[in-house]
Order: sequence, then C-alpha cells, then structure tokens
Amino acid sequence: DAGVTQSPTHLIKTRGQQVTLRCSPKSGHDTVSWYQQALGQGPQFIFQYYEEEERQRGNFPDRFSGHQFPNYSSELNVNALLLGDSALYLCASSLAGSYEQYFGPGTRLTVT
Amino acid sequence: AQSVTQLDSQVPVFEEAPVELRCNYSSSVSVYLFWYVQYPNQGLQLLLKYLSGSTLVKGINGFEAEFNKSQTSFHLRKPSVHISDTAEYFCAVGHYGGSQGNLIFGKGTKLSVKP
Repeated sequence: DAGVTQSPTHLIKTRGQQVTLRCSPKSGHDTVSWYQQALGQGPQFIFQYYEEEERQRGNFPDRFSGHQFPNYSSELNVNALLLGDSALYLCASSLAGSYEQYFGPGTRLTVT
Repeated sequence: AQSVTQLDSQVPVFEEAPVELRCNYSSSVSVYLFWYVQYPNQGLQLLLKYLSGSTLVKGINGFEAEFNKSQTSFHLRKPSVHISDTAEYFCAVGHYGGSQGNLIFGKGTKLSVKP
C-alpha cells in the first residue's frame, strides 16, 4: 500500500520564478492538505483540497495556489518566489470524515 | 486564537531513561490532538492521537500521552528511550467543527538520546 508521495525531493529556484510541487495521496484517500515547514519551525497549514476544490485556506498570500485532479493527486504552485519561501513543503492526505492525516516526505524548496 | 506551545525546544536524555515531552494548547472549542515524529530529512510520522474517550492514549514505539482538559495539556511520555528515538517531535491540535485539514503545530521538541 503506497503512502503519500511527493515530487520532486529537492528544488532550487531563483527569486521571482514560479514553482510547482506535486503530491499523490495515500491509496483510498480523497483529501489533500499542504503545509509549509520553515527551518526550525512546525508545519503551517497552507490549504486543503477536496473534490477538486479548495476547502479551507491558511494565512498565505494569493501567490500560493493549488489544484486537485480527479485522481485526487494535487499540485501546489507558488508564483513570484521570495527568499522567505524557502522551506520544506509537506503534503498530507486523509479520507473525508477522518481526522488522521498522513504526511509525505516533503519537497525541500530553496530560493536563491 | 488557537495555539500550541511545546515547552522544551531540546531534551537531552540518556538511553533507557524515561522522557516526557510537554505540550500545551489554547482553544475555546473542543479539540483533538496528535503527536508526530520527524526523523532527519523525512516527513512526519503519526505517533499517536486523541480524538475522544480515554484520556490516556498509546501509540507506536512504546510512546503514550495523556490528554488533560483542565490543564489544556497533552504530554508525551516513554518509560525507556532508545538511541533510535532521537528525532524531532511535534504536537498538533485540530478543532472539532472546523476543517479537518487545519492542524496547528507546535514548534517542535528535539529529543536527543545519548548512550
């Protein structure tokens, strides 16, 4: 049973560029949440997708956007990258109605 | 606003000693709580959860935690730690009635187990 997978593992971008991160949920899960974990901090909630729609959003600017596909996989897009966007981006999946979230290994984004 | 405070940023302990990692939360509504562990360069692994019912919950790898509503705490304990328990531990809270996705995390506690 495959767990949550994310790609790529690492990414280096320049300020002002755009980036797309990808996530495949655990088998059977239909809900995907994205978190940002800055160095030395706990994860912070970005947004959650269910039924291909953004269901809830944390305190992140509109530069952060996402998408969920019919197969429940998801993308996180960040435009106009800032140095402060450097972080580990975690994807978590869950089944609607369940409170448990299962996390992927993350994508390490470095903005130079 | 809801928040989670992990009182110790670092906890050094010798192998086979007991350990307690402290977590306090603030919330005006009913909560559910998790402890996650993060090994270097990895994602988060669920250790244990409190959703409702018995306030003492047991998780993987011999860890347990006790939910104390009056003290708004959810401390993590292990009676005897191993070198392999060296990792960072995160406490997280969710709110019933809110979105299931919006977990609020503490800043983490780095557990260092020494031989």
